[in-house]
Amino acid sequence: DQQVKQNSPSLSVQEGRISILNCDYTNSMFDYFLWYKKYPAEGPTFLISISSIKDKNEDGRFTVFLNKSAKHLSLHIVPSQPGDSAVYFCAAVSTGTASKLTFGTGTRLQVTL
Amino acid sequence: KAGVTQTPRYLIKTRGQQVTLSCSPISGHRSVSWYQQTPGQGLQFLFEYFSETQRNKGNFPGRFSGRQFSNSRSEMNVSTLELGDSALYLCASSDTTTRFQYFGPGTRLTVT
Repeated sequence: DQQVKQNSPSLSVQEGRISILNCDYTNSMFDYFLWYKKYPAEGPTFLISISSIKDKNEDGRFTVFLNKSAKHLSLHIVPSQPGDSAVYFCAAVSTGTASKLTFGTGTRLQVTL
Repeated sequence: KAGVTQTPRYLIKTRGQQVTLSCSPISGHRSVSWYQQTPGQGLQFLFEYFSETQRNKGNFPGRFSGRQFSNSRSEMNVSTLELGDSALYLCASSDTTTRFQYFGPGTRLTVT
């Protein structure tokens, strides 16, 4: 039972354009969402997060949007840079199991010149 | 501060053998979580240890076990290895705010 889904396994975007990565979840108990970025041969690194009481969080070029009614969140990267090419994982956690992150399957982003 | 370290980085084992992986968390972090990453499955939560006690557990068979030492270092053990256990095993540490987990580089286990 995949509680966090990233339905696009890959995405290709031109440098300078906007990258939009999507994530859907099914568990209403999730109250915190995170995005991680992963390069090959490295562990995931935390990128940005959002609490379920908010609908938007922005950090530089990265913005995460949360639509609770649709159980959907998205990560926007503007402008996209070649160094952003990596696998992006969406993760969710509920307060009751604070240490247990539930991850999506990841979206491989390629930013082309 | 030094990051999360995992040893070994790469490992090749044969079916039926057992393996132990090690994780040293960031200094001061008391929580250590383990995840398995396989193609198409994302990162699957194995278990979490806090102050030497298992605090959370994922849906993995009993062949997967772990422990944490008083210095917060953690080990993960897989007994009777199966081909399907081939994966990248990631360790993450965190302080009291366990939503923010810092990952190590992982141990790539190949079972032949």
